[in-house]
Amino acid sequence: EVQLVESGGGLVQPGRSLKLSCAASGFTFSDYNMAWVRQAPKKGLEWVATIIYDGSRTYYRDSVKGRFTISRDNAKSTLYLQMDSLRSEDTATYYCATHDVGFGDWFAYWGQGTLVTVSS
Amino acid sequence: DIQMTQSPSSLSVSLGDNVTFTCEASENIYGFLAWYQQKLGKAPKLLIYGATNLEDGVPTRFSGSGSWTNYSLTISSLEPEDIATYYCQNNHVYPLTFGSGTKLEIK
Repeated sequence: EVQLVESGGGLVQPGRSLKLSCAASGFTFSDYNMAWVRQAPKKGLEWVATIIYDGSRTYYRDSVKGRFTISRDNAKSTLYLQMDSLRSEDTATYYCATHDVGFGDWFAYWGQGTLVTVSS
Repeated sequence: DIQMTQSPSSLSVSLGDNVTFTCEASENIYGFLAWYQQKLGKAPKLLIYGATNLEDGVPTRFSGSGSWTNYSLTISSLEPEDIATYYCQNNHVYPLTFGSGTKLEIK
């Protein structure tokens, strides 16, 4: 059974940093492109970043470029999101998700999410 | 960026109804369209990819159609467990973009 378990969320002040983790199990992690998708309270879904299966390429939405870094450790089957210079508009539940195994850019499996609140 | 417009934003329905909602892309996405279901307080779940392909394990009462810029999701004979918010997603080009969702409510 595919499992994605996010951790690392919490309350953080504007301008500070936070690092999210996503522990994967039940599938061959190194075969999948991985992504972070977020959802602000009572709002819709917003793609944040994607990393290719071997870590060779990354993609970001414009609003987080230069502030967020997606990375992965295939030996540990873990995905990360380093978030720096956080803003109030980054407040959201952050979901870890797999892309399709055939490298389609839809999201086949999702974690349960971790809440990040940016507030003073 | 490709904008995805979903309509309606909410829909009041009765169990057993056939329900269709739409998603329009701001440019041709060549069928690279996925649909997700999100129940209250839960993570989204993939229903359909490639505009028409049902994800494994998804009930056959769900179906997708469309091409170019216009897509739709149909639920035949609505069941209680189908009450949720539904999102479409462009996966043709980056940035990957979602519609704002259609929320189903019981009449």
